[in-house]
Amino acid sequence: DAGITQSPRHKVTETGTPVTLRCHQTENHRYMYWYRQDPGHGLRLIHYSYGVKDTDKGEVSDGYSVSRSKTEDFLLTLESATSSQTSVYFCAIRQGTGLAGGPEDEQFFGPGTRLTVL
Amino acid sequence: AQSVTQPDIHITVSEGASLELRCNYSYGATPYLFWYVQSPGQGLQLLLKYFSGDTLVQGIKGFEAEFKRSQSSFNLRKPSVHWSDAAEYFCAVGPRTGNQFYFGTGTSLTVIP
Repeated sequence: DAGITQSPRHKVTETGTPVTLRCHQTENHRYMYWYRQDPGHGLRLIHYSYGVKDTDKGEVSDGYSVSRSKTEDFLLTLESATSSQTSVYFCAIRQGTGLAGGPEDEQFFGPGTRLTVL
Repeated sequence: AQSVTQPDIHITVSEGASLELRCNYSYGATPYLFWYVQSPGQGLQLLLKYFSGDTLVQGIKGFEAEFKRSQSSFNLRKPSVHWSDAAEYFCAVGPRTGNQFYFGTGTSLTVIP
């Protein structure tokens, strides 16, 4: 599992409240990602990070912000949760030495966080 | 625009039968292609990937996939399905450099005895 944990694993919150999801890795990987998974959409990239304090937007970044103050932690924040953000959120790391396509180049996914916004 | 299409939402096969899951992609450059499997309540696990070289790639659990550039396809195959293969399967495409990966909507596989 590449040492990836996500917390919380389940959360129910109300519309308008802030929510922060945490992804923690123990293997010092440079690249980390946040995806959301919805029926009929597969996985969609929200944000990713390529180092401490280095982040960039993905396909569906509106309504989300991220922070990475330490290599091991990548936080996803919903500043004001909406019902459309009800989803399963997956964190991933990218293993590799920087050579794309090499035998070690692979994304490993965390177990997911199920978020329900009422 | 980059996209991945998995035309089959759900497939049912008998145990021991062969399997082919379809994947078509639209990508502006030479792609980096993947197949993942997801068991219920779990994260995704990489089955195989194609970056360059031999267009027929072998993966874990007896799966293989063939990259066909002319058809923009990367179909997943297995000659004999086991009950434990029941899961959801995702095709994905990504850049050779960069981090924007695109996933298909998934194909749910049911295996009947």
